Amino acid sequence: EVQLVESGGDFVQPGGSLTLSCAASGFTFLNYEMNWVRQAPGKGLEWVSYIDETGTAIAYADSVKGRFTISRDVAKKLVYLQMSDLRAEDTAIYYCARRYIRTPRNFDYWGQGTLVTVSS
Amino acid sequence: DIQMTQSPSSLSASVGDRVTITCRASQNIDTYLNWYQQRPGKVPKLLIYTASSLQSGVPSRFSGGGSGTHFSLTISGLQPEDFATYYCQQSYNTPPTFGGGTKVEIK
Repeated sequence: EVQLVESGGDFVQPGGSLTLSCAASGFTFLNYEMNWVRQAPGKGLEWVSYIDETGTAIAYADSVKGRFTISRDVAKKLVYLQMSDLRAEDTAIYYCARRYIRTPRNFDYWGQGTLVTVSS
Repeated sequence: DIQMTQSPSSLSASVGDRVTITCRASQNIDTYLNWYQQRPGKVPKLLIYTASSLQSGVPSRFSGGGSGTHFSLTISGLQPEDFATYYCQQSYNTPPTFGGGTKVEIK
């Protein structure tokens, strides 16, 4: 069974840092790029970042570029999102989602999400 | 970035109704278009990929169509469990972008 389990969400003050983790199981990790997608309270879905299957290709949304860093540990089947200089607008549920490396490149499995709240 | 625009942003319908949601891309994305359903408090679920292919396990009352810049999601015979928010998403290039969502509510 495919599973993606996020952890690390917390309440943090503006300017603070946090690292999210996503543990993957039940599928061939190297066949998928891994993504973070977030959803602010009552809002829509916003793609945040992706890392390819080897960890060599990475991309970020403009809204987080320079503040967030994605990485993956292939051996442990883990994906991380290091977040720094957090702002109120980063408050959201953060979902880990996989995407097959070839067509169709859809998000076919999502984790349950982890909540990040940025507030003073 | 490719902008995805959904319409309407919300609609009210009754059980058994046929409902159509549209999604427009700001540039040609061929058929690299996916649809997701998100029930309240739940995780997004893939319904349709590459514009018209039904994801495994998704009921056949869901169908998708379109290519280029105009796409649609149709639910034929709305069921109580279909009341949810639906999102389109382009997978033509990076960043993958989502539409703003269409909330389907009970009339």
